[in-house]
Amino acid sequence: DAGITQSPRHKVTETGTPVTLRCHQTENHRYMYWYRQDPGHGLRLIHYSYGVKDTDKGEVSDGYSVSRSKTEDFLLTLESATSSQTSVYFCAISKLAGLTDTQYFGPGTRLTVL
Amino acid sequence: TQLLEQSPQFLSIQEGENLTVYCNSSSVFSSLQWYRQEPGEGPVLLVTVVTGGEVKKLKRLTFQFGDARKDSSLHITAAQPGDTGLYLCAGLKSSGDKLTFGTGTRLAVRP
Repeated sequence: DAGITQSPRHKVTETGTPVTLRCHQTENHRYMYWYRQDPGHGLRLIHYSYGVKDTDKGEVSDGYSVSRSKTEDFLLTLESATSSQTSVYFCAISKLAGLTDTQYFGPGTRLTVL
Repeated sequence: TQLLEQSPQFLSIQEGENLTVYCNSSSVFSSLQWYRQEPGEGPVLLVTVVTGGEVKKLKRLTFQFGDARKDSSLHITAAQPGDTGLYLCAGLKSSGDKLTFGTGTRLAVRP
């Protein structure tokens, strides 16, 4: 199993509060991704990183920011959480970004915004 | 806009039955992957197909990529309770592009 951990695994917060989710990898993979998973939508890309301090927006980036100061850590921040951000968040990593490259997923963080 | 539509959305079958899950798009993909996700865990890659018409087999699972590279199917023979989970297709339009995931098919296999 790829060495990917996410913290926290569960979080309940209130609308308007900032929230930071952490993804940590021990594989030294270059690419890291944050997805959200909601019923009927599969997985949707929020932000991704292609190296330290190199990040870009995904399909559903509004209301989210990311940072990657070290190869092994990728942080996702909800600046001011809203109920629409209640979801399960997955981090993924990949060595390359080619046609046949595998993405390895973490165990997920279940976030509830009240 | 969801580029990859999966059908059916839900499927509940008896152990030993066969089933097929479909992944369809109006767009052409250079490669397509199938993942399985079990409750409380992240998705795990099952297979990658890259050639139109390609068929890959993984024990009782058969994956096919459409000739036009716009669709794919997953066929499970003699389903077992251990096959229960969420099946996701995901496509890449070109190298360096980002994966687009399908809407998912939730499969339950009853003993």
